[in-house]
Amino acid sequence: GQNIDQPTEMTATEGAIVQINCTYQTSGFNGLFWYQQHAGEAPTFLSYNVLDGLEEKGRFSSFLSRSKGYSYLLLKELQMKDSASYLCAVRDSNYQLIWGAGTKLIIKP
Amino acid sequence: ETGVTQTPRHLVMGMTNKKSLKCEQHLGHNAMYWYKQSAKKPLELMFVYSLEERVENNSVPSRFSPECPNSSHLFLHLHTLQPEDSALYLCASTPQVGRGPDTQYFGPGTRLTVL
Repeated sequence: GQNIDQPTEMTATEGAIVQINCTYQTSGFNGLFWYQQHAGEAPTFLSYNVLDGLEEKGRFSSFLSRSKGYSYLLLKELQMKDSASYLCAVRDSNYQLIWGAGTKLIIKP
Repeated sequence: ETGVTQTPRHLVMGMTNKKSLKCEQHLGHNAMYWYKQSAKKPLELMFVYSLEERVENNSVPSRFSPECPNSSHLFLHLHTLQPEDSALYLCASTPQVGRGPDTQYFGPGTRLTVL
């Protein structure tokens, strides 16, 4: 079966750096997405990786290793507003999006 | 504001009621999606429409009935639901179905509680 694994919950301190990992086993690979979802709100797009390596976008970066079935989302200079759930999703060979259950990130002052 | 709106935002219904969820996108997209989001579970894709034609139905019980009258509007008709159907129902749209880096634009969701 197809599976996306990510930690259920993480806690970090304001101003620090946090890395949220995502591992996947899917039938084929056509890209990996990260979305941010604040409580009670819509998920919003953060990043897309289809080739190995690091994609940087301001305070957020996303890394992909296709051979390892692994990605991470790196958040720097954490702010209180970064408290949210972070969803990892992989597009398989049929272009279906397979979603992880999300990682709830709690930021403490 | 993502350009996708959903109404109502909250809905409480009994198991014998009939209700409908509405989604509207103002982005000129051709594909629309219904998802179910339960606590601590992955998003479950329910239905996909491309240019008003249903292209996917992921073994969803018949008590959920989608309707797509045009490429901007999507409905989810609900009848004789069960308490386990209580969840957040999210609508999303993309320029077209499933290729490349097309990101999903989500609505804020309808929080459904079935008593």
